[in-house]
Amino acid sequence: DAMVIQNPRYQVTQFGKPVTLSCSQTLNHNVMYWYQQKSSQAPKLLFHYYDKDFNNEADTPDNFQSRRPNTSFCFLDIRSPGLGDAAMYLCATQADGREGETQYFGPGTRLLVL
Amino acid sequence: DAKTTQPTSMDCAEGRAANLPCNHSTISGNEYVYWYRQIHSQGPQYIIHGLKNNETNEMASLIITEDRKSSTLILPHATLRDTAVYYCIALGGTNKLIFGTGTLLAVQP
Repeated sequence: DAMVIQNPRYQVTQFGKPVTLSCSQTLNHNVMYWYQQKSSQAPKLLFHYYDKDFNNEADTPDNFQSRRPNTSFCFLDIRSPGLGDAAMYLCATQADGREGETQYFGPGTRLLVL
Repeated sequence: DAKTTQPTSMDCAEGRAANLPCNHSTISGNEYVYWYRQIHSQGPQYIIHGLKNNETNEMASLIITEDRKSSTLILPHATLRDTAVYYCIALGGTNKLIFGTGTLLAVQP
């Protein structure tokens, strides 16, 4: 089945130690999104790629970066994780970014910062 | 994109229909009404969406009022596995899913 895959499901890192979360998709979708969801809160958009074009949300901290080496993969890099960055990180894809098009989510990676 | 308002929580008996309301009184003509749900510790799952007409799929039905200011998601025969947070989102030209607080649906045995 075509799907959005996130690995690992759980990631533990140390305060200040760079960490990378990965997302892959077999849907061949052009658009990929990264959301952050803190405990008991709703998901919040960090940034997205339309093909190779990167689009950052205005309030996304500089500590968060992303890479998309090809259509299938997208990475979220946290350069210096703080305790406040502990959250579930969700990847989503969308076929072409057309108005009102459905986004499909992966299972998420839960990040713990020690 | 228009803001949506949902009740914080609802209960439903197993096997009965669950009717989840959503208010989107400021929705514009090109904004779709989307429903997602999120089961604990999982990613959001797409349920259904619509623009003007009522929609039905294998998971649920979506009833949109004629003035489009509100909608109702109907799960026809709720099961325990339908316990989740249900998000109603008005999605327009920005294509940004702005999640509100959602409705926590608790299906009771």
